[in-house]
Amino acid sequence: KAGVTQTPRYLIKTRGQQVTLSCSPISGHRSVSWYQQTPGQGLQFLFEYFSETQRNKGNFPGRFSGRQFSNSRSEMNVSTLELGDSALYLCASSLGGTEGEQYFGPGTRLTVT
Amino acid sequence: GENVEQHPSTLSVQEGDSAVIKCTYSDSASNYFPWYKQELGKRPQLIIDIRSNVGEKKDQRIAVTLNKTAKHFSLHITETQPEDSAVYFCAAFDDYKLSFGAGTTVTVRA
Repeated sequence: KAGVTQTPRYLIKTRGQQVTLSCSPISGHRSVSWYQQTPGQGLQFLFEYFSETQRNKGNFPGRFSGRQFSNSRSEMNVSTLELGDSALYLCASSLGGTEGEQYFGPGTRLTVT
Repeated sequence: GENVEQHPSTLSVQEGDSAVIKCTYSDSASNYFPWYKQELGKRPQLIIDIRSNVGEKKDQRIAVTLNKTAKHFSLHITETQPEDSAVYFCAAFDDYKLSFGAGTTVTVRA
């Protein structure tokens, strides 16, 4: 089975711009979660989607949004980028049950200048 | 919300020795506790997990224990090898969300 894939792998953006990141889960997995990883804050939960519905959201400003498509692929969008948004954005896929065995993609490294 | 604390932040061990990493969590509703290993520049990799109805689980050289009453869980690595050098994260799962500890950088000295 192919693993979780994320595109693009690297992005450089300017403050004020917006960005869209994509995640394709493992075949058969219906849940996609997004995490932000930074040296200072560690791994922080952004949101989780299952069957196109957001089931939980972390403590991030409204500039961070996401969605999931009927084929379980997910995108996250960050609008009005700030320097502090520079991070590794990881998505993880799981079957979606109540015990969350999650498998991570390689991440998208976002640099905001 | 859930708060996961992880100790120590760094750990240096001699090859062949054991390594122990400890985590505590705050929310008694958390029911699943995975451990991830992240090598430099790579994705976090699930190495072992434990569910709330189990006290201990072992997989070759790694084992995890869970004490629900005390709300803490631990990772034990025996007979450490150079390839065990990485950052290890504990996490607690509740309400479709993983809350992570801050990570432990493990260095295995040859």
